[in-house]
Amino acid sequence: SQKIEQNSEALNIQEGKTATLTCNYTNYSPAYLQWYRQDPGRGPVFLLLIRENEKEKRKERLKVTFDTTLKQSLFHITASQPADSATYLCALDGVDSSYKLIFGSGTRLLVRP
Amino acid sequence: GAVVSQHPSRVICKSGTSVKIECRSLDFQATTMFWYRQFPKKSLMLMATSNEGSKATYEQGVEKDKFLINHASLTLSTLTVTSAHPEDSSFYICSARETGGLNQPQHFGDGTRLSIL
Repeated sequence: SQKIEQNSEALNIQEGKTATLTCNYTNYSPAYLQWYRQDPGRGPVFLLLIRENEKEKRKERLKVTFDTTLKQSLFHITASQPADSATYLCALDGVDSSYKLIFGSGTRLLVRP
Repeated sequence: GAVVSQHPSRVICKSGTSVKIECRSLDFQATTMFWYRQFPKKSLMLMATSNEGSKATYEQGVEKDKFLINHASLTLSTLTVTSAHPEDSSFYICSARETGGLNQPQHFGDGTRLSIL
């Protein structure tokens, strides 16, 4: 069956450390993978997109990797801050050439001051 | 950056009422918009893809007569929950994708919290 999974438990880290969030999928072949941030009671906000032929993408303190062999994406936030506390969603893009995004259930990140 | 406005942000109404939710792309044209439903601590569940000038495409298990979608212009899509019941209570979110095909991000509205008494 097709699945997209993110760490179900909340990730709790100390300010200044690097947060690493995982997104694994099975029986999908996405052309792209996107990461979003969602705050409580708000809609998701786009962060980064990575193509299937890219290994790594960076934007300021954010880094995303995409391993199509392992069917996994890792999302890193370096020098984390309490303001980074939120739920982070990964989404598969371009599955079957569709414009739809397929979302994981999200990982809640809590950065302690 | 691209902004999507969703209105209203919260609705509380009696069972049997029909509720309309609007989704507008403010500074770009969106031939395609998406409607999602999200339960607490769960992922976004795609309900339907709204196509400007044509019928919406509904996901499996979503009742099209229950959730009416109209996408009359390149900047506006509406979702009407007809004869809403308590089980329809949820967080509804719309999004719009900029033209350019795949690899474009989706821009989301801030959602509508629907509570049916």
